[in-house]
Amino acid sequence: NAGVTQTPKFQVLKTGQSMTLQCAQDMNHEYMSWYRQDPGMGLRLIHYSVGAGITDQGEVPNGYNVSRSTTEDFPLRLLSAAPSQTSVYFCASKKGLAGPDTQYFGPGTRLTVL
Amino acid sequence: KQEVTQIPAALSVPEGENLVLNCSFTDSAIYNLQWFRQDPGKGLTSLLLIQSSQREQTSGRLNASLDKSSGRSTLYIAASQPGDSATYLCAVKETSGSRLTFGEGTQLTVNP
Repeated sequence: NAGVTQTPKFQVLKTGQSMTLQCAQDMNHEYMSWYRQDPGMGLRLIHYSVGAGITDQGEVPNGYNVSRSTTEDFPLRLLSAAPSQTSVYFCASKKGLAGPDTQYFGPGTRLTVL
Repeated sequence: KQEVTQIPAALSVPEGENLVLNCSFTDSAIYNLQWFRQDPGKGLTSLLLIQSSQREQTSGRLNASLDKSSGRSTLYIAASQPGDSATYLCAVKETSGSRLTFGEGTQLTVNP
């Protein structure tokens, strides 16, 4: 299994540009989530999904959209990038709400917004 | 609102030392607590998960304890090695929902 994969690994955007961060997992996990990691702030939950077709907001959802059309994929969209969105973004998955709680993380996407 | 604090923020030790990393949380009504390892430029790897009903979990040279009543967890690393150098994060899952609240981590350096 490849586990959780994320693309791209690095990205530089200009303010106002849009982009999609890709996340995929091949473990048939129901639960997927997006975090951002910032110095002095730790990891904060952006959005999460408990299964295909179901998404919900986390702690810091503003400026981000998600969709979950398949079990495998959970893309994160930045609609109009802002410098405050400069961060490292991690996608994570786990079996499901009722299953084991061990979370598996992707390698991260390092985003810089100029 | 749950808050998770990790002390110290950074720690540098010589190889072979036994060491303790601390994690505290403000709301004792947790479902479980996890310790993760993060290597530079990489994602997080789950090390140990302690359910709220458990006192400790062990994996190799790692031992994690949980004291819910005092809102504390410790990660004990025995006979530290340079390969243990990484940032260690703890995260708590609250009783309801699946949200994890993370601490900021302790950056550990083990010097040869």
